[in-house]
Amino acid sequence: EVQLVESGGGLVQPGESLTLSCAASGFFFRSNWMSWVRQAPGKGLEWVANIKQDGSEKYYVDSVKGRFTISRDNAKNSLYLQMNSLRAEDTATYYCARDLPTLGGAFDQWGQGTLVSVSS
Amino acid sequence: QSALTQPASVSGSPGQSITISCTGTSSDVGGYNYVSWYQQHPGKAPKLMIYDVSNRPSGVSNRFSGSKSGNTASLTISGLQAEDEANYYCRSHTNRSSLGVFGGGTKLTVL
Repeated sequence: EVQLVESGGGLVQPGESLTLSCAASGFFFRSNWMSWVRQAPGKGLEWVANIKQDGSEKYYVDSVKGRFTISRDNAKNSLYLQMNSLRAEDTATYYCARDLPTLGGAFDQWGQGTLVSVSS
Repeated sequence: QSALTQPASVSGSPGQSITISCTGTSSDVGGYNYVSWYQQHPGKAPKLMIYDVSNRPSGVSNRFSGSKSGNTASLTISGLQAEDEANYYCRSHTNRSSLGVFGGGTKLTVL
């Protein structure tokens, strides 16, 4: 059974940092692009970042460029999101998602999400 | 404002069919056959229902179908059931970004 389990969320003050982790199991982790998708409270979905199988390519939504870093450790079957200089507008549930191996980039597996709250 | 436009809400009675639209431009929906649809129940993670416009992942009911015409993609749910009540989001590849774009979401109410 495919499982994605996020951790690391919490309450932080503006300007602080946080690192999210996603532990993957039940599939060959190093075969898939992986993504982080977030959802602000009561709002829609937003693709935050994704990373190629070997980590050689990474893409970010404009609003997090220069502040967030996506990475992966294929030996540990883990995906990470380092978030620096956090802002109130980064408050959201962050989901780890597996990219379907098609050109279309759909997400066929999702974690349960971890909540990040940025507030003073 | 989301890049893709979805109706805020739709409703239908059990057994009926409903269609949710997702309108974009030639830079996204109209230019690529890379539209996917997600179902999200309150407090739960999204679930992939349709990918590449009209393909259903294994395990998804054949009551769910997808299509596209021009710059508008559609998700049709036939034989509505109470458990179909959820929020639905479309997503498309776009040439304006390395990442795709989502619609704002549609709340489906089963009357």
